[in-house]
Amino acid sequence: DGGITQSPKYLFRKEGQNVTLSCEQNLNHDAMYWYRQDPGQGLRLIYYSQIVNDFQKGDIAEGYSVSREKKESFPLTVTSAQKNPTAFYLCASSIDASTNNEQFFGPGTRLTVL
Amino acid sequence: AQTVTQSQPEMSVQEAETVTLSCTYDTSENNYYLFWYKQPPSRQMILVIRQEAYKQQNATENRFSVNFQKAAKSFSLKISDSQLGDTAMYFCAFMLLDSNYQLIWGAGTKLIIKP
Repeated sequence: DGGITQSPKYLFRKEGQNVTLSCEQNLNHDAMYWYRQDPGQGLRLIYYSQIVNDFQKGDIAEGYSVSREKKESFPLTVTSAQKNPTAFYLCASSIDASTNNEQFFGPGTRLTVL
Repeated sequence: AQTVTQSQPEMSVQEAETVTLSCTYDTSENNYYLFWYKQPPSRQMILVIRQEAYKQQNATENRFSVNFQKAAKSFSLKISDSQLGDTAMYFCAFMLLDSNYQLIWGAGTKLIIKP
């Protein structure tokens, strides 16, 4: 089955720790995205990548880092510099980054800072 | 900067009724796309329908249709013959036709379909 997987589903972190959220897709999509979702707000873009070995900051990139070494994978690291990391994180991909292409979403990871 | 506003935090209707969710947006640009996404309790985000701004004809997908009023910057979603499975958060989103391709999201409307 083609799709996007995110792991883990739930993640707990102590303050001061870095954590990495996994996102894998087998759709052969070029573009991948990371969003943050907070209650009562729309999704906000953290980082996006249009092609392997390239990525750009979104609206709220501070305290986050990404890599895109493989087409299938776009892991997100939440660093200790992120002041309020507790949120729901969604990964998405699209055939490419053009406007006409639907973004497909993974099931999400709920990160809680203890 | 572009913004998307969904003025209805929560709505509920009886099964089989028709419901309309509102969305307004603000932009000075002329070329863009608009989307409605659905997020059920599973939290899996699913595209419901999309509209190209240059098309005057309103998009339709089975029971889902939009009323796109470009001059008023309005993009409402109508769900006909609502079903229990339509219970979800619905998000309106906007994307400029430029090299950035970022989706700008509204805060969402929680729709509850009652049996």
